Amino acid sequence: GAVVSQHPSRVICKSGTSVKIECRSLDFQATTMFWYRQFPKQSLMLMATSNEGSKATYEQGVEKDKFLINHASLTLSTLTVTSAHPEDSSFYICSASRVRSFYEQFFGPGTRLTVL
Amino acid sequence: KQEVTQIPAALSVPEGENLVLNCSFTDSAIYNLQWFRQDPGKGLTSLLLIQSSQREQTSGRLNASLDKSSGRSTLYIAASQPGDSATYLCAVSNYGGSQGNLIFGKGTKLSVKP
Repeated sequence: GAVVSQHPSRVICKSGTSVKIECRSLDFQATTMFWYRQFPKQSLMLMATSNEGSKATYEQGVEKDKFLINHASLTLSTLTVTSAHPEDSSFYICSASRVRSFYEQFFGPGTRLTVL
Repeated sequence: KQEVTQIPAALSVPEGENLVLNCSFTDSAIYNLQWFRQDPGKGLTSLLLIQSSQREQTSGRLNASLDKSSGRSTLYIAASQPGDSATYLCAVSNYGGSQGNLIFGKGTKLSVKP
């Protein structure tokens, strides 16, 4: 149990386009989902925390108008990178925590974004 | 501000050797500590989670210890195998953090030679 999927696994886009990444908890209900970003040879950095049905909480330095997060249901959260630029190229990973296991997070396989 | 450090950054050992990965954190007010494994270009696989009230957790050939007062955790891997080659990440969750925010170290890249 506690499986999290992400789609797509890899995306290449032109500068200026918007990209949507989906994160799904497949076999459990996730009250909270987290979005992380990982640059090469760096650690994961939390971008934002989203709770079902409410606005996401963004970490300092993360532009909320550029990284739109929607958590419309207990099993789905989406991250949209708007007007992507080459510096947004990174590995984006989501995680989800279960209703009764708040602090244990289960991670998705990640999405590799390359902006040309 | 919580900071997590992992030593060494990289480690190469022959197959069969026992090894220890180290993790230290600056703020001892943690809720839990997790060890993850990350294969190249992949997501994270949770290995062990230690609650702040616990001293260690074991799963198969893996044993993780936690000394909260000194801000340290170790991951012990017994009888290493080439399949253990991956990057191992340590992460802590603080009390009063951003709803369970995990703070990660940069990881230890392990290579086990056949």
